[in-house]
This record gives sequence, structure tokens and C-alpha cells, in this order.
Amino acid sequence: DVKVTQSSRYLVKRTGEKVFLECVQDMDHENMFWYRQDPGLGLRLIYFSYDVKMKEKGDIPEGYSVSREKKERFSLILESASTNQTSMYLCASSSYETGISYNEQFFGPGTRLTVL
Amino acid sequence: AQKITQTQPGMFVQEKEAVTLDCTYDTSDQSYGLFWYKQPSSGEMIFLIYQGSYDEQNATEGRYSLNFQKARKSANLVISASQLGDSAMYFCAMRERGGGADGLTFGKGTHLIIQP
Repeated sequence: DVKVTQSSRYLVKRTGEKVFLECVQDMDHENMFWYRQDPGLGLRLIYFSYDVKMKEKGDIPEGYSVSREKKERFSLILESASTNQTSMYLCASSSYETGISYNEQFFGPGTRLTVL
Repeated sequence: AQKITQTQPGMFVQEKEAVTLDCTYDTSDQSYGLFWYKQPSSGEMIFLIYQGSYDEQNATEGRYSLNFQKARKSANLVISASQLGDSAMYFCAMRERGGGADGLTFGKGTHLIIQP
């Protein structure tokens, strides 16, 4: 059974703290993604990675950074958390496919982060 | 301009009725893929169905089918014989270009409630 796991389901942090959200996949996928989900806005891509140590900015990278030191692990870092980063964070992974083709993204259960 | 538009923020449907969830998209690419995901109240994202831009037949997966009208840039999800367990958020998403390394662009979602 394919698995994407996230380190925490719920997290409460204070403004200014450095926050690490961890994601691990066991499917040997090349691609990994971080999204945030807010009511009425759907999911928005923060960063993605297509290989170890490679990263690309998504649509809303400001205030975030990422790290991918191992293929199975992709971390999202909030250098100095702010209240507007209170959100649900979803990690996903997929295999690399050339061309447009069916290429499902598998999602983790999400981390609901509250910044006070 | 939004790339994915879901015009129905919420829908109430009687059990056993068919449901159509609307999705229109905007892209200048010739190659793209369209996805539908379901998100129950527990939060996990469940992949439902995929349609490639070059697929001539409408995609079907069990009770789910995708009404793909390429000229109208429309990719509506049809759920036949709705069940109480279909109550959830539904997201339409698109991937443009090739390689599979790009993230998905999501619509804002439709909250579907099935009534007994």
C-alpha cells in the first residue's frame, strides 16, 4: 500500500518560531510537492522537488523554504512563522513521467498548523 | 485569470441521484492532464479520475465519469447513483506541460452534501 506520511497532524507554534514540516514517501517517487490549503482557495503549490537536492518554486513560495537531502524525504521550513501561515499543509509525491500522461499524485494526511 | 474554475461552492443532492460537478480550465498548452480529487472531512485527498488532453474517450472509473468537452475547456465530474459516503469536498486540478514534475493547479473546490 502506497504511503505518504507527514510528521504531525496538528501543530501549534508561536509567531517568529522556526517550523519544520516533514514528509516521507515509501514509493521511491522522484517528485515531491508541498501545498497549502485554505478555505475558499483550494490547494496552492508552495514548492516542489523532482530530485534529491533539487527544488523549484511553486505559486506561493514566499516565507517558505524546502530541503530534500534524501529521495524519500521532503521538508517544508517556515523560517519565522507568522499568523498568516496558519493553514493546512499537504505533501504529495509522484513518479517522474515524460510527456503528459496519467501521473497521479499521492497525498499525505496533512498537517494543520496554527501560528499564534 | 483562474486556471481552474469550479463555480459551485456547495451542492445538496438527494441520495441515489446523479451529480454533476462543474470544472472549466484555462490553458494554452496542447498537452495537459485533468484530475478530480475527493477530500472527505477526515482530510485525506483521494484520487478519483484522470483525463488526458489527447484522450478521445471520456474517462470512467466505476460510478465516476468525466464529461470532457475540449473545445469548451470543460471537464465536469459525473457521479452516478450518489451515496451518503460521497459527501465531501471535490477538487478539479490540472497539470500542464510534460515530465510530471510540475505541481497541480487546483480549483477552489465544491462541497457536496448528499442528503438521505
